[in-house]
Amino acid sequence: EIVLTQSPDTLSLSPGERATLSCRPSQSVGATYLAWYQQKPGQAPRLLIYGANSRATGIPDRFSGSASGADFTLTIGRLEPEDFAVYYCQQYDKSPYTFGQGTKLEI
Amino acid sequence: QVQLVQSGGDLVKPGGSLRLSCAASGFTFSDSFMTWIRQAPGKGLEWLAYISTSNSYIDYADSVKGRFAISRDNAKKILYLQMNTLRAEDTAVYYCARAPFGSHSAFDFWGQGTTVAVAS
Repeated sequence: EIVLTQSPDTLSLSPGERATLSCRPSQSVGATYLAWYQQKPGQAPRLLIYGANSRATGIPDRFSGSASGADFTLTIGRLEPEDFAVYYCQQYDKSPYTFGQGTKLEI
Repeated sequence: QVQLVQSGGDLVKPGGSLRLSCAASGFTFSDSFMTWIRQAPGKGLEWLAYISTSNSYIDYADSVKGRFAISRDNAKKILYLQMNTLRAEDTAVYYCARAPFGSHSAFDFWGQGTTVAVAS
């Protein structure tokens, strides 16, 4: 099973700042098969990024994804109040299709 | 617009059974792989099961293999999760989701979630 380790567990920032969230797999994951989701309290997760760097439909361009070596990064360019939430990475390369433990982005 | 409307969550005793449903609309259901994911209280997301468009490919996480069964009715546009031999650790919010490009696909639309509580 591929374990995804996200860092940090919690990120405290202010609106207008830039957020950088990391996701490191325990074994190689094809860049085509990495996604990022946003989840707000009481809501279902929402797909932000797929294929490591492609924005899902309707996602603002302040959200961007990248891959460098074995690691993956979600960057939020300029935080809006509605961006404070929990973010999960997910690999859909090999079954079981695992999620990271989440990064809580708080004000 | 794409909608996935879930139902079936309930309080059930350990060892009991439950069937969850996920009614799809706004897209061609029979063309999409579908999946179930759950989230235990205060915890992260756990993928549970995948089903292909024609039921020919089904995959499960080890934690539910042999106890849960995913199925679909393309005519009714409904996805199911039959859960048997439930345990306390199955307590969670269960989500259905669409995987539009097969098993190697991100989950682009999610249901609202339905709560399953397993307790005596």
